[in-house]
Amino acid sequence: DQQVKQNSPSLSVQEGRISILNCDYTNSMFDYFLWYKKYPAEGPTFLISISSIKDKNEDGRFTVFLNKSAKHLSLHIVPSQPGDSAVYFCAASVQGGSEKLVFGKGTKLTVNP
Amino acid sequence: NAGVTQTPKFRILKIGQSMTLQCTQDMNHNYMYWYRQDPGMGLKLIYYSVGAGITDKGEVPNGYNVSRSTTEDFPLRLELAAPSQTSVYFCASTWAQAMTGELFFGEGSRLTVL
Repeated sequence: DQQVKQNSPSLSVQEGRISILNCDYTNSMFDYFLWYKKYPAEGPTFLISISSIKDKNEDGRFTVFLNKSAKHLSLHIVPSQPGDSAVYFCAASVQGGSEKLVFGKGTKLTVNP
Repeated sequence: NAGVTQTPKFRILKIGQSMTLQCTQDMNHNYMYWYRQDPGMGLKLIYYSVGAGITDKGEVPNGYNVSRSTTEDFPLRLELAAPSQTSVYFCASTWAQAMTGELFFGEGSRLTVL
């Protein structure tokens, strides 16, 4: 049973446009959400996170939105750049339990020049 | 700082062989983890450690063993390799107080069992 779902395996956007990556979760105990970015042949790197007490967190071109009632979060990248092409993993955890971090399957983003 | 270093990067094993994946970190992190990523899947936790001498099972521990004799090192042992263990393995670490999931990952070790 997948607790963290990324239903789009891939997404393609044009350079300069907005990329929106979506993530749904089923466990209402999750209270901290993260996005990781992964390039081929590299390990994932932390991108941005959001606590359940917030509904938005912004870091430069990256913004994460959280809709707790819908158990949905999204990552917006504006403007998208070719260097953003990577696999993006959504992850969720229960506060105080980083060993309980649960990852989605990932969405492969391709930003075309 | 090298961060999290994994060796080897690639390895091919025959069914029934054993091997150890090495992981070391130079960030003085207390928490360390081993994940595996199968094609098209998310990362699944194999084992984790909250400090030297303390280890615990994750979601998919069967067929693996770990030890944590020092803060820096967290080797993963595969006994009697099976084709189902073909995967990419990632080691990760974080500070004890960062209990919110921000992990630092190594580059991965790609293992093929034939």
